[in-house]
Amino acid sequence: AQSVSQHNHHVILSEAASLELGCNYSYGGTVNLFWYVQYPGQHLQLLLKYFSGDPLVKGIKGFEAEFIKSKFSFNLRKPSVQWSDTAEYFCAVNNAGNMLTFGGGTRLMVKP
Amino acid sequence: NAGVTQTPKFQVLKTGQSMTLQCAQDMNHNSMYWYRQDPGMGLRLIYYSASEGTTDKGEVPNGYNVSRLNKREFSLRLESAAPSQTSVYFCACRGRGGSTDTQYFGPGTRLTVL
Repeated sequence: AQSVSQHNHHVILSEAASLELGCNYSYGGTVNLFWYVQYPGQHLQLLLKYFSGDPLVKGIKGFEAEFIKSKFSFNLRKPSVQWSDTAEYFCAVNNAGNMLTFGGGTRLMVKP
Repeated sequence: NAGVTQTPKFQVLKTGQSMTLQCAQDMNHNSMYWYRQDPGMGLRLIYYSASEGTTDKGEVPNGYNVSRLNKREFSLRLESAAPSQTSVYFCACRGRGGSTDTQYFGPGTRLTVL
């Protein structure tokens, strides 16, 4: 069974700091990769996804992620965070089947 | 176009009570899912339905049942609620695959079992 690990459970940053959230998965075959964001009190929204092609994927709100196949990683980055980025971020993996496996989530707090 | 809707938004139950969580989607997607979200554990799949008329167990199905009533609706039933089922429940739907292989989530139901 596949698994997804998010190493940072809680991250606190000041506004304008750079962000990198780690995500590693354990499945060896072809995968589809996702980052979802959950703002306080809201449902999950898709930030970005990778299916194939350019391993550097750009998403909404200035986020990007890089797929490194050799490291089984799909880290999320943003050059300069804002207070409004305070949220919980989830990495997820789909091995082209019906099921999506989520990581445990990373809570990001951005101090104004 | 509401996407995925869930009712109720909040519910408090006593141990042993039963209830059904409702989910509907207007995205014309074939696959629908029920997840529970617990702190530090991400989302865990309870049941899913790949298409109308089919349902399958996910990672944590014990204590739950589901019904795929039609293409739009997928309900989750707790027959005898337990405190361990206190959680936030999310319904999701998914398109047919390929570049549309993305799950879209509802707003969630926060359930407390006393």
